[in-house]
Amino acid sequence: GAVVSQHPSWVICKSGTSVKIECRSLDFQATTMFWYRQFPKQSLMLMATSNEGSKATYEQGVEKDKFLINHASLTLSTLTVTSAHPEDSSFYICSARYPLRGLRSNQPQHFGDGTRLSIL
Amino acid sequence: DQQVKQNSPSLSVQEGRISILNCDYTNSMFDYFLWYKKYPAEGPTFLISISSIKDKNEDGRFTVFLNKSAKHLSLHIVPSQPGDSAVYFCAGGSQGNLIFGKGTKLSVKP
Repeated sequence: GAVVSQHPSWVICKSGTSVKIECRSLDFQATTMFWYRQFPKQSLMLMATSNEGSKATYEQGVEKDKFLINHASLTLSTLTVTSAHPEDSSFYICSARYPLRGLRSNQPQHFGDGTRLSIL
Repeated sequence: DQQVKQNSPSLSVQEGRISILNCDYTNSMFDYFLWYKKYPAEGPTFLISISSIKDKNEDGRFTVFLNKSAKHLSLHIVPSQPGDSAVYFCAGGSQGNLIFGKGTKLSVKP
């Protein structure tokens, strides 16, 4: 079964709206979660690393004021796309880092099912 | 600088035959490598991994080979099935972080 839940799966909204995407680890505590973005026919590009209880670490070229990340608990990280515009339309995927020790240590990250964001 | 490269954007294979997906990397600090399968509008699904200290790992129809000297790994699927049709991503990792290639779209024809 799914170990990382991502909601919503699809959002369509008007330009200028802020959109919040949630990422939850269901059966383990994730001190670190990751947010990726995928453009059509492109790779998964890491946007930021979300650490519980501290500020997120953003990759070069990602606007931290545009993409707000909050990791308030060990099972939840949120990505808020502020004042979204059509160029923000994309597929956003979160993942949670699994504890390095344990049965699933060969899978360092578990992925959610992604959120398709469409800005009109 | 692309640290993980999948040079073939697509691959078409007949059902029952072998599918070979290739991946090259430049970062010698990767501790492990993983292959993920992805359907459109879904998150990646883990397939198989290999530690950097090994040269082969097998799981059912899936085998991953690692050639460290050539900085090359490959995923073999035998026999290929139509349900294997998807985009396959190769990723290199260290300390829980992953860097993905651009993916190869595999089409298995009945």
